[in-house]
Order: sequence, then C-alpha cells, then structure tokens
Amino acid sequence: AQKVTQAQTEISVVEKEDVTLDCVYETRDTTYYLFWYKQPPSGELVFLIRRNSFDEQNEISGRYSWNFQKSTSSFNFTITASQVVDSAVYFCALSEPSNTGKLIFGQGTTLQVKP
Amino acid sequence: GAGVSQSPSNKVTEKGKDVELRCDPISGHTALYWYRQSLGQGLEFLIYFQGNSAPDKSGLPSDRFSAERTGGSVSTLKIQRTQQEDSAVYLCASSSENTIYFGEGSWLTVV
Repeated sequence: AQKVTQAQTEISVVEKEDVTLDCVYETRDTTYYLFWYKQPPSGELVFLIRRNSFDEQNEISGRYSWNFQKSTSSFNFTITASQVVDSAVYFCALSEPSNTGKLIFGQGTTLQVKP
Repeated sequence: GAGVSQSPSNKVTEKGKDVELRCDPISGHTALYWYRQSLGQGLEFLIYFQGNSAPDKSGLPSDRFSAERTGGSVSTLKIQRTQQEDSAVYLCASSSENTIYFGEGSWLTVV
C-alpha cells in the first residue's frame, strides 16, 4: 500500500537557522511522483515542487532545496536561512499515475520560525 | 480562471441540513479531485473526476456524500443530512501534467 510518513509533527527554529523536513514514502509502483506543499495560516495549499521517480537529481530553488534518495525512499526538504514567513504546515505527498494520480499525503510538519 | 476557485469559502449549517460546495477548476484541466481536511485527520482523498466521469469514488465516507461534474468543468460536492463530524475544510484540486493545484477550500461548520 502507498504511504507517506512525516515523522516530525512540529519543528521550531529561530530565524536564519537551516531546517530540514523529513519525508519517507512507500509504494510498489516504479513510476510515481513526489510533491511538497506549503499550507500557510490562510489555509491554501501551495504547490512547491514535483519530482518524478526517475529523476534523482537534487533541486534547489532559492532558499529551498530537496534531496530525493530512492535507496532510502526519502524526499527531504531543506529551508536555508529560514524566515518568519516560512512558518506553515508542510505536506509531503505521493501520487501514482497508474492509480488516478490522486495524492497520498503525509500528516504534515508544522514549522514555526521565531524572530 | 487563473486558479482553482471554490465557493462558498465559509459555510455554517445546522445538523441535518444539506449543503453544496462548488469547485471551478483551472481552465483546461480535465482531472479534478476533492479532498477533506479535518482537524487532527490530515488530508484525505474523497473523489476523482476525469472529464465528467468519476472512476474513483473510494474516499467518499458515506452515501450522504455525492459529487458530480458537468461540462468537464465545474464540480459540485453535495453532503446530505449533515452531521457534526462533517465539519472540515473541503479542498478541490485540478491537475495538469501530473501536477495538482488546490483551491483555497470551503470551510464547513456543522452546528
């Protein structure tokens, strides 16, 4: 069965610290997609990144970076030099194109960045 | 429109009443999803549409829940005889090229 685990329920850091959000997934499919979404207090789910299972190249976008390790079934998200505006709930998700493409979400990690 | 649009943004209803939630997906997106986010329950899948048909309804929690989509565009999620446990944020999403974009959600409170 497909499953996404975000073991960190809450993380609190001080502004300018680096922080890594962990995500571990389970799937039997060889083709799948992994996602990260941000949910700020306003409630909207904001798409951050999609990674397909055949592309293990790490990605960097500004202060955000993602580390995809197929060998450990992990897709971790690092925020460098965190800012107060990064405070939100972050969700990792898995989708399988062969199975309607619906998303299986982790339970989310609440990140609080203090000034 | 530019993004997924949902209405109403907030709805308070009395237990036992019916409610309808509307979703207007991103233009051209053929795939449409409904999810529910309850306090302490995370995000759960409800139903998937491809065009006007719903090949996956496996997440609908009971027969009080139904959804339809017309013209391959707007979708309506209907909850009959609402119960307090139906209180949640109902999120609609549409998809293009395997990337799913979400609306801002409809906050439903059943009192």
